[in-house]
Amino acid sequence: ETGVTQTPRHLVMGMTNKKSLKCEQHLGHNAMYWYKQSAKKPLELMFVYNFKEQTENNSVPSRFSPECPNSSHLFLHLHTLQPEDSALYLCASSQDRPPSFTGELFFGEGSRLTVL
Amino acid sequence: QKEVEQNSGPLSVPEGAIASLNCTYSDRGSQSFFWYRQYSGKSPELIMSIYSNGDKEDGRFTAQLNKASQYVSLLIRDSQPSDSATYLCAVRVDMRFGAGTRLTVKP
Repeated sequence: ETGVTQTPRHLVMGMTNKKSLKCEQHLGHNAMYWYKQSAKKPLELMFVYNFKEQTENNSVPSRFSPECPNSSHLFLHLHTLQPEDSALYLCASSQDRPPSFTGELFFGEGSRLTVL
Repeated sequence: QKEVEQNSGPLSVPEGAIASLNCTYSDRGSQSFFWYRQYSGKSPELIMSIYSNGDKEDGRFTAQLNKASQYVSLLIRDSQPSDSATYLCAVRVDMRFGAGTRLTVKP
């Protein structure tokens, strides 16, 4: 496998469910990101991990919980979501070296989440 | 609040014409600038990056950056129907995206 892969591609869950989104990058990058893409809104940066350390949490509700066990894997744990959380969740990776963050992002295909 | 602004469009151009996409940003500390293309139902893919003032050309695409005016643009020459997509402007340090401009190239 190459690039950035996300699973599952589609997920339907109830408001009381607990589920997780998974992202894996095969590019040797050190930084990984979660973005949310809703209709007619800009991509919203949610979380950034650099060398497994969380470097940004963009005021995301606690019902979204990220986990980054190593530089190649990133999870987004979901619990007690709301219907307005329905969106496309995109994972991305980049090769960054602090303090300079100049690298371009490479995106996965996304996980389409529907909350009933 | 750091902002990246784009005209949402839609922008419609005839096949073979030049498509011009514009983006402004508010954070003067921004270091890197990117243009992504996103087809409907797909994830964004990088088409151009630019880091210094001036023009950068890659095939039919030219990115233009003016840091003094906090402005970055993308020109697509000889537009093709396959260029029809949403074009996203992204700005680092913290990789914020504009809302995107939807481009339609009519045969």
